[in-house]
Amino acid sequence: DTGVSQDPRHKITKRGQNVTFRCDPISEHNRLYWYRQTLGQGPEFLTYFQNEAQLEKSRLLSDRFSAERPKGSFSTLEIQRTEQGDSAMYLCASGRAGGRGTDTQYFGPGTRLTVL
Amino acid sequence: SQKIEQNSEALNIQEGKTATLTCNYTNYSPAYLQWYRQDPGRGPVFLLLIRENEKEKRKERLKVTFDTTLKQSLFHITASQPADSATYLCALDIALGSSNTGKLIFGQGTTLQVKP
Repeated sequence: DTGVSQDPRHKITKRGQNVTFRCDPISEHNRLYWYRQTLGQGPEFLTYFQNEAQLEKSRLLSDRFSAERPKGSFSTLEIQRTEQGDSAMYLCASGRAGGRGTDTQYFGPGTRLTVL
Repeated sequence: SQKIEQNSEALNIQEGKTATLTCNYTNYSPAYLQWYRQDPGRGPVFLLLIRENEKEKRKERLKVTFDTTLKQSLFHITASQPADSATYLCALDIALGSSNTGKLIFGQGTTLQVKP
């Protein structure tokens, strides 16, 4: 257990439905990252926050995806109008901003999304 | 184009032998490189980090080398055990001035199977 928790662990939904995932990072970490991972591939960066500010979004993150970290603590990732191609493991990681080479990331267990 | 490549084929070795995994990258100038372990259905777990100005890093039975001229990292597990069986991911963080974004670019991972 890395100290990063994600909820739910599994989500099955029908195409067109909205889903929301939650991530609770390690409390003293000011950075929070979202990644997506499909079978046989490494995680792909989606977005990250430093405190409550969203600093970067990947081009993978279409308009149907939105992420928030309202108080600089937990974060939510929402997918609207889900598509079958959204089926993947969604991973959250937290870390501490610092100088070069200091940002080890601690990953949560992931939320496995299946869109039928 | 920018690429990170790991051996896509699974690596099968006998217990007690040394496992060597390869990570090659093109068109990146990484600040540092990290190796993670991932077990099925779980998030990646940080193992080792090596900076651009370091040649080698060790931690217990693990050793990582980093050759920025060859654009390659090698990951070694000595005296391998069946419990080392997992997927191993390499990841790059791209430098941003004197700091780093923390945004990790992952390879697709190599699955290691250690047979007793």
